[in-house]
Amino acid sequence: GENVEQHPSTLSVQEGDSAVIKCTYSDSASNYFPWYKQELGKRPQLIIDIRSNVGEKKDQRIAVTLNKTAKHFSLHITETQPEDSAVYFCAASRYNQGGKLIFGQGTELSVKP
Amino acid sequence: DADVTQTPRNRITKTGKRIMLECSQTKGHDRMYWYRQDPGLGLRLIYYSFDVKDINKGEISDGYSVSRQAQAKFSLSLESAIPNQTALYFCATSERGDGYTFGSGTRLTVV
Repeated sequence: GENVEQHPSTLSVQEGDSAVIKCTYSDSASNYFPWYKQELGKRPQLIIDIRSNVGEKKDQRIAVTLNKTAKHFSLHITETQPEDSAVYFCAASRYNQGGKLIFGQGTELSVKP
Repeated sequence: DADVTQTPRNRITKTGKRIMLECSQTKGHDRMYWYRQDPGLGLRLIYYSFDVKDINKGEISDGYSVSRQAQAKFSLSLESAIPNQTALYFCATSERGDGYTFGSGTRLTVV
């Protein structure tokens, strides 16, 4: 069945450094790839998403890249800040066939001041 | 964000009891979903609904049932709760399959 693998499970960086989280997906028909941030005790919230007709998307300090051939996509956070500390989830879906998201296992990012 | 409301926020129940988790939304979205979150396993899809007459099983539907009472309401039931159903449960909505809005979650403990 459909599967999304996410790595690493935990990531610790110094404030100001960059962080990269990687995901691979199994369903070659997937065409929508969002990233969610979940702060402690809070609900997941969408931070950025990309569709399969685009290879890269940026929003200030965050960016997502997509490699359809290899079936993987990555989240890049530059100039990390302590408030970036959270659990990040990647997900994939066939947007035009229902949109049920399959999530990765999550990455706990810790940014040390 | 009060757009997607889950009740209760926390619940402790005994093994074998029936329990219902409720979700209501004011976003006017047709699509609603139930996920459970376990440490190290991410969010796993239990059931989803694209409209009142459309209910679909997700990855882990065994032991669960749902009811879509109206466009705005989607309830999740555990017919006979067991300890490994202890988890954080999230309801979510979307308009077209993107931009999910999650509820605040229900933390369920089965003892």
